Amino acid sequence: DVKVTQSSRYLVKRTGEKVFLECVQDMDHENMFWYRQDPGLGLRLIYFSYDVKMKEKGDIPEGYSVSREKKERFSLILESASTNQTSMYLCASSPPMTGQGEQYFGPGTRLTVT
Amino acid sequence: SQKIEQNSEALNIQEGKTATLTCNYTNYSPAYLQWYRQDPGRGPVFLLLIRENEKEKRKERLKVTFDTTLKQSLFHITASQPADSATYLCALPMDSSYKLIFGSGTRLLVRP
Repeated sequence: DVKVTQSSRYLVKRTGEKVFLECVQDMDHENMFWYRQDPGLGLRLIYFSYDVKMKEKGDIPEGYSVSREKKERFSLILESASTNQTSMYLCASSPPMTGQGEQYFGPGTRLTVT
Repeated sequence: SQKIEQNSEALNIQEGKTATLTCNYTNYSPAYLQWYRQDPGRGPVFLLLIRENEKEKRKERLKVTFDTTLKQSLFHITASQPADSATYLCALPMDSSYKLIFGSGTRLLVRP
């Protein structure tokens, strides 16, 4: 079974702090994604990566950056956390398009910025 | 741009009945459409994919239909059980890539 793990389930940070969210997948997937999920807004794509060191912006990249130095690891960075970044953050990975394109999600990190 | 509409109101049904959830999209017809289940505080879990040339897909008690004329997919759970209570999301490809657009989901409550 595919396993996607995230470094923390719950995180509380102060405004202005630099925040790192880590995601690791164990299925050698090329594609990895970071989403945030807010009530009524659904899942919104922040960034995705289709290969090591390759990244593209999603729908809401402002205030975030990412890093993918190894295939299995995709990190989301909040350079200077703000209260409007309080949210549930979900990481996902998917195999190449030769598969069904299904995405495998981690358990999520609930981030609170105070 | 493509948008997905799912009923934001919870669907409340009696155990044993068939639950039917709706996913409508507004723009181009996608090459496929996916359904996911999400439990509270957890990440979504992939359930089924249906391609544009398939009218219907089944997996155990789940059935998905895809009507490109109506721009709609229906997700059915037959003989529903309280354990089926969750939020169900539909998703479709953003373009020809592997990026997905997700609906905001419909919450299903199955009463014992």
